[in-house]
Amino acid sequence: DTAVSQTPKYLVTQMGNDKSIKCEQNLGHDTMYWYKQDSKKFLKIMFSYNNKELIINETVPNRFSPKSPDKAHLNLHINSLELGDSAVYFCASSQGTPRTDTQYFGPGTRLTVL
Amino acid sequence: AQSVAQPEDQVNVAEGNPLTVKCTYSVSGNPYLFWYVQYPNRGLQFLLKYITGDNLVKGSYGFEAEFNKSQTSFHLKKPSALVSDSALYFCAVRDSISSGSARQLTFGSGTQLTVLP
Repeated sequence: DTAVSQTPKYLVTQMGNDKSIKCEQNLGHDTMYWYKQDSKKFLKIMFSYNNKELIINETVPNRFSPKSPDKAHLNLHINSLELGDSAVYFCASSQGTPRTDTQYFGPGTRLTVL
Repeated sequence: AQSVAQPEDQVNVAEGNPLTVKCTYSVSGNPYLFWYVQYPNRGLQFLLKYITGDNLVKGSYGFEAEFNKSQTSFHLKKPSALVSDSALYFCAVRDSISSGSARQLTFGSGTQLTVLP
């Protein structure tokens, strides 16, 4: 009965590789998000996406691309991984009024780039 | 532009004592304010939020927060701390009048709360 799930939980890979992280929510929400948490625990929005609109944080490199096959899934694909991409990536979802809705987070994916 | 500050990286409190985790914000319009908690190796869990109305908001696990417009603050409080409250706490804000990517939730840097037995 997990609300927001992510796979894999841990991902270790070499520089230059391409990898994907998957996210699924069973809450029936219409908006999903990707966040990056760095080594200092600072949390920053990368993308938010609903059926009609993708909002991109301008500071995110275009090596990162969200892909949403349907409302319940938002995957994150990363090309040409760099050392600085090492972080914990959190998926979240919400429903309702965009500014006041509560976001529910997944357990995170710890990405380590060697 | 919206921003949020958590001035304390670390807060230590003895079990049974009241706790306060501080948060101040800056927005152009009205603030929508949130508190989340992160336990080790876990995702963020929602505690409470202020949208409008009563300045004192009650949330999960006995936590509450007080919205103070004149001081632009939204401090998290609990009357009696438990060892199990030890975790990383995040304050977050959205501006009522922001647009585009700026209407996303902005998080503070987090405050590590340690409750000592």
